[in-house]
Amino acid sequence: GQQLNQSPQSMFIQEGEDVSMNCTSSSIFNTWLWYKQEPGEGPVLLIALYKAGELTSNGRLTAQFGITRKDSFLNISASIPSDVGIYFCAGSNTGNQFYFGTGTSLTVIP
Amino acid sequence: DVKVTQSSRYLVKRTGEKVFLECVQDMDHENMFWYRQDPGLGLRLIYFSYDVKMKEKGDIPEGYSVSREKKERFSLILESASTNQTSMYLCASSFRLYEQYFGPGTRLTVT
Repeated sequence: GQQLNQSPQSMFIQEGEDVSMNCTSSSIFNTWLWYKQEPGEGPVLLIALYKAGELTSNGRLTAQFGITRKDSFLNISASIPSDVGIYFCAGSNTGNQFYFGTGTSLTVIP
Repeated sequence: DVKVTQSSRYLVKRTGEKVFLECVQDMDHENMFWYRQDPGLGLRLIYFSYDVKMKEKGDIPEGYSVSREKKERFSLILESASTNQTSMYLCASSFRLYEQYFGPGTRLTVT
């Protein structure tokens, strides 16, 4: 199955810093999703994107659907300790099956 | 709020046992999914279902089967558990083309 390239693989940042991560695919997608997963829990949906060029925010999180439809970006502004977790991207071109990135592990140092 | 529940958070089974993992969603979603999650490999789709009694193979269906007798319930079955099936299993549901919601996961250990 298809796998998305997600980078960086891990990040260690100071509290208050901004964070950027991205996800790329060899295929065109119609939908991009961003999830956060905390240890021992299932992924929680953060942001859903449905149109190329779309920019959507959820509090301090902002995600963009790349205009080529082959990539997506997630930014977190002014990070706080509870932002710690693994962030996954997921893309779909059929609506039934989503393909997932391998995740970006975020550590926030107080 | 969408709620997806899984029958067990932790499960320990012996090699060769038949294992049932249950998933229930309360939002009348048409689509339901089973993934396994392993370090460095991300989430891999095992099976999905877009309607009652319908099922489609995902990327890694070998060694697994599924059952969907009711819209809200999707079961994953390991016919004869093996140690390489030790993993975190995640169930998800979605309405048509839209976002998937996940359950809390079942960490299965096969000894």
